[in-house]
Amino acid sequence: EAGVTQSPTHLIKTRGQQATLRCSPISGHTSVYWYQQALGLGLQFLLWYDEGEERNRGNFPPRFSGRQFPNYSSELNVNALELEDSALYLCASSAQLSYEQYFGPGTRLTVT
Amino acid sequence: AQKVTQAQTEISVVEKEDVTLDCVYETRDTTYYLFWYKQPPSGELVFLIRRNSFDEQNEISGRYSWNFQKSTSSFNFTITASQVVDSAVYFCALSEADYGGATNKLIFGTGTLLAVQP
Repeated sequence: EAGVTQSPTHLIKTRGQQATLRCSPISGHTSVYWYQQALGLGLQFLLWYDEGEERNRGNFPPRFSGRQFPNYSSELNVNALELEDSALYLCASSAQLSYEQYFGPGTRLTVT
Repeated sequence: AQKVTQAQTEISVVEKEDVTLDCVYETRDTTYYLFWYKQPPSGELVFLIRRNSFDEQNEISGRYSWNFQKSTSSFNFTITASQVVDSAVYFCALSEADYGGATNKLIFGTGTLLAVQP
């Protein structure tokens, strides 16, 4: 069974640009979660999507947004990039009414 | 508020030593879930175990064991006879169930870097 996949592996952007990160959940999983792992800040919850709806949002500005598609894959968009957005962005998925979240390999975003 | 504390920032052991990673949590909910994840240098978080707040039974899986104590709000993780491949950052995490019974966001501790020397 294929795990959670994320693309791209690495992304380099300039301050002020927009970044789009993609995630495909494990087959059969309906929930997708996004986390940011920035140096010195640890792992922080960003967004949770379930059945196409945004269910919960972490303490991040509105320029962090996303969506979930009918096939349950998800996209994270970061607008007006700032240097401090440089981080590893991890996507996780879980099955309906399940308690385990399974993570993908992450996308490393570098903002210069 | 929910909080997870991993007081040990780094631990270094020699292969075959036993090592315990500490985790202390705070929550006001009576129903919650605790997790341990491993993050090797490749970066991907690997799920190790989940415990429910209403099940305090300790668990052993091969060289891994977990000690959950609600009285002290602790969920400690022990690796017996450590190996070089165990070298990684280990995260403890907490989740409260949402209204639908499914897991919500994970609140992570700051992680413990375990270095196992040959």
